[in-house]
Amino acid sequence: GAVVSQHPSWVICKSGTSVKIECRSLDFQATTMFWYRQFPKQSLMLMATSNEGSKATYEQGVEKDKFLINHASLTLSTLTVTSAHPEDSSFYICSARDRSGAGTDTQYFGPGTRLTVL
Amino acid sequence: DQQVKQNSPSLSVQEGRISILNCDYTNSMFDYFLWYKKYPAEGPTFLISISSIKDKNEDGRFTVFLNKSAKHLSLHIVPSQPGDSAVYFCAASSNQGGKLIFGQGTELSVKP
Repeated sequence: GAVVSQHPSWVICKSGTSVKIECRSLDFQATTMFWYRQFPKQSLMLMATSNEGSKATYEQGVEKDKFLINHASLTLSTLTVTSAHPEDSSFYICSARDRSGAGTDTQYFGPGTRLTVL
Repeated sequence: DQQVKQNSPSLSVQEGRISILNCDYTNSMFDYFLWYKKYPAEGPTFLISISSIKDKNEDGRFTVFLNKSAKHLSLHIVPSQPGDSAVYFCAASSNQGGKLIFGQGTELSVKP
């Protein structure tokens, strides 16, 4: 299957700092990427849809000024958590939508980034 | 409003037997369904998918069944192996943006 990478895999930061997480599709072009958040023992919660060359679409209740998304190319989307606070500590996962195969439309996920805000 | 539901939070199966994971949905606009496997602190791994024009899709030990009238899908794993132990999420999307709506997950434990 298609490969999606995320960097960093984990990060610890002080409250008030900003953290950038990168999501790359390694062997396919992704016009659409998605950012999810997962709390322990809960389902994945979609935060936003990242479209190459245009503004991201945020889900209800997600602060777009806090979670900045940039989809600069067909293989890279970044999520920046601005002025992070302890409640932002979570597992952030990206996915990239692969529509290259006939009849397929599958999202492939990155390995996730564990963010801990002290 | 939980559009995709996995009502069993956990399932325990003996090695070699069949594992059946169930998923129900409420939105009739969903036309594409996927199953993902997830280990703790890792991203989900795509397993198998099915389009609403089909009622069955098979890939090795994994088979997904779709019953549109009941708005129900299931994942069958046979034979189950200890390495299958993980959390399984079903997800659904419509053709209107590709957003995946996930169920809550079912933790499968396959005992040797």
